[in-house]
Amino acid sequence: KAGVTQTPRYLIKTRGQQVTLSCSPISGHRSVSWYQQTPGQGLQFLFEYFSETQRNKGNFPGRFSGRQFSNSRSEMNVSTLELGDSALYLCASSLRENTEAFFGQGTRLTVV
Amino acid sequence: GIQVEQSPPDLILQEGANSTLRCNFSDSVNNLQWFHQNPWGQLINLFYIPSGTKQNGRLSATTVATERYSLLYISSSQTTDSGVYFCAVPYNQGGKLIFGQGTELSVKP
Repeated sequence: KAGVTQTPRYLIKTRGQQVTLSCSPISGHRSVSWYQQTPGQGLQFLFEYFSETQRNKGNFPGRFSGRQFSNSRSEMNVSTLELGDSALYLCASSLRENTEAFFGQGTRLTVV
Repeated sequence: GIQVEQSPPDLILQEGANSTLRCNFSDSVNNLQWFHQNPWGQLINLFYIPSGTKQNGRLSATTVATERYSLLYISSSQTTDSGVYFCAVPYNQGGKLIFGQGTELSVKP
């Protein structure tokens, strides 16, 4: 059974640009969550989608957005990139709420 | 919101030593997960343990939900055990996990 797949693995972007990250969950999993990891702030929750609906959102500016497709694949978008957006972005999938979460390998974003 | 605290923040061991990592949480939870973050950043699932004790090879975990803590035991540590260990608990609705700040383990040969 394939795990959670995130693409791309690495990205370098310039301030002001926008970026889209992709996450394909484990087959059959309908919940996809996104997290940002930085050395200073640790792992912070961005948002969660279940059956194409955003159910929960973390404390991030509106520049961070996401969506989920009917096949449960999810994308997150960050517009008007800032240097502080440089981070490891992790995606997790689970069958449903309060079940075991499995993480992808992450996308390392560097904003220059 | 719920607070998750891990201790110690850093741990240095000689290969072959045993260790105990602790995770305290401030409110009752439905489940708890332990992860190991590898050098490439991926979070590897170790245990999904709402309560009780589970074992997987040299690793075991115990969660005492009524006292709001969980312990991760690593026996006969190996250099490949190095990395950061996180515990995480669900918060509120909608699949949100709250992570502790992690314990960075370094196992020396």
